[in-house]
Amino acid sequence: QLQVVESGGGVVQPGGSLRLSCAASGFTFKDYGMHWVRQAPGKGLEWVALISQDGTNQYSTDSVKGRFTVSRDNSRKTLYLQMNSLRTEDTAVYYCAKAGGVRFLPFDPWGQGTLVTVSS
Amino acid sequence: QSALTQPPSASGSPGQSVVISCTGTSSDVGAYDYFSWYQQHPGKAPQLMIYEVTKRPSGVPDRFSGSRSGNTASLTVSGLQAEDEADYYCSLYAGNNNWVFGGGTKLTVL
Repeated sequence: QLQVVESGGGVVQPGGSLRLSCAASGFTFKDYGMHWVRQAPGKGLEWVALISQDGTNQYSTDSVKGRFTVSRDNSRKTLYLQMNSLRTEDTAVYYCAKAGGVRFLPFDPWGQGTLVTVSS
Repeated sequence: QSALTQPPSASGSPGQSVVISCTGTSSDVGAYDYFSWYQQHPGKAPQLMIYEVTKRPSGVPDRFSGSRSGNTASLTVSGLQAEDEADYYCSLYAGNNNWVFGGGTKLTVL
């Protein structure tokens, strides 16, 4: 069945870097855009970034522009999120989700998430 | 940046119906059909419940339905069951390559 699985989370100091991965299966990965969404502890969902099917278009929320980069390897069916200059407010569970076909909506399915903790 | 407003909490007894609202503006909720609802149980990943305002993915019980009136979208849960207790989030494409979520509503089954 359709599935996405995140990995790469962990504890990092402020100013540090981390790369998240999202492995996809059960669908033709190269035919779909992919999102990253995060959820700070006890808070709601926040859209982070989107990459188009072929990787030529990437969009992100203002708070991560210039620090986070979304990319993909269609041959490996894997999505990435390179996070640099991390801040304490980036602490969250990071989810990847397959994008739908209309305005890259809806988000479906979601992975189980990977926790990123930014702390000294 | 668009902002979607949801009530922080909602509740109902088993068997009753509950409506969760999501209010935006004429530039987002009132303008686009790219609107969806997600259910999230504690410690779990969100799950798609409704997309394109009213459509229900396969596997989602028909007790869940979506609608829109003006700048407010609604998720109705009919015949409440204990397993419906969860957080619910609305989401839409807000234009300018930006996707947004509402603040979430915690549904309690009394």
